[in-house]
Amino acid sequence: EAQVTQNPRYLITVTGKKLTVTCSQNMNHEYMSWYRQDPGLGLRQIYYSMNVEVTDKGDVPEGYKVSRKEKRNFPLILESPSPNQTSLYFCASRSPGAVSGYTFGSGTRLTVV
Amino acid sequence: GQQLNQSPQSMFIQEGEDVSMNCTSSSIFNTWLWYKQDPGEGPVLLIALYKAGELTSNGRLTAQFGITRKDSFLNISASIPSDVGIYFCAGRPVLTGNTGKLIFGQGTTLQVKP
Repeated sequence: EAQVTQNPRYLITVTGKKLTVTCSQNMNHEYMSWYRQDPGLGLRQIYYSMNVEVTDKGDVPEGYKVSRKEKRNFPLILESPSPNQTSLYFCASRSPGAVSGYTFGSGTRLTVV
Repeated sequence: GQQLNQSPQSMFIQEGEDVSMNCTSSSIFNTWLWYKQDPGEGPVLLIALYKAGELTSNGRLTAQFGITRKDSFLNISASIPSDVGIYFCAGRPVLTGNTGKLIFGQGTTLQVKP
């Protein structure tokens, strides 16, 4: 089944403790992206990647890092999480064609205390 | 960053009624997408639009790419309880080209009373 897989689904952590949210897709998509969803703000793009070793900032990149060492994986790294990063995070992927939309994972709910 | 203004924020309607929501931008977009998010899940693509003036249907859903390229609307006809969820518009600004960038609206929460 074609899908984007995120892990974990739920995570509670403490301020300052580094964490990584993994994302993997099995559709051989070139483009991948991370979004965060907050009430009243919709989905805001954190980072996106157009291919291996090619990443770019979205609208809210502060406090996050990403890497794209392999085509299928696009982990999101929070080096020093803070409470304002408590949110619902989505990974997504798509093919590079201009007519394609992102396929989303099921989300990771992160709470930073 | 760039924003899309989506309205209304929420709707509570009776089953069988038609629904309309829209999205506007201050800049020109070359793609408009409409997504639906069910509780506990990621957004799922409903309709994609690529040309100004384009009108596209998917079952009871109809969406249009505004002629000015700065807006789009989504209509749902004869709503049913499973239409409940959050609907998002999303767009690719012309200035960013076909990059990975995709901007979302704030979402419209739809509730349907049986």
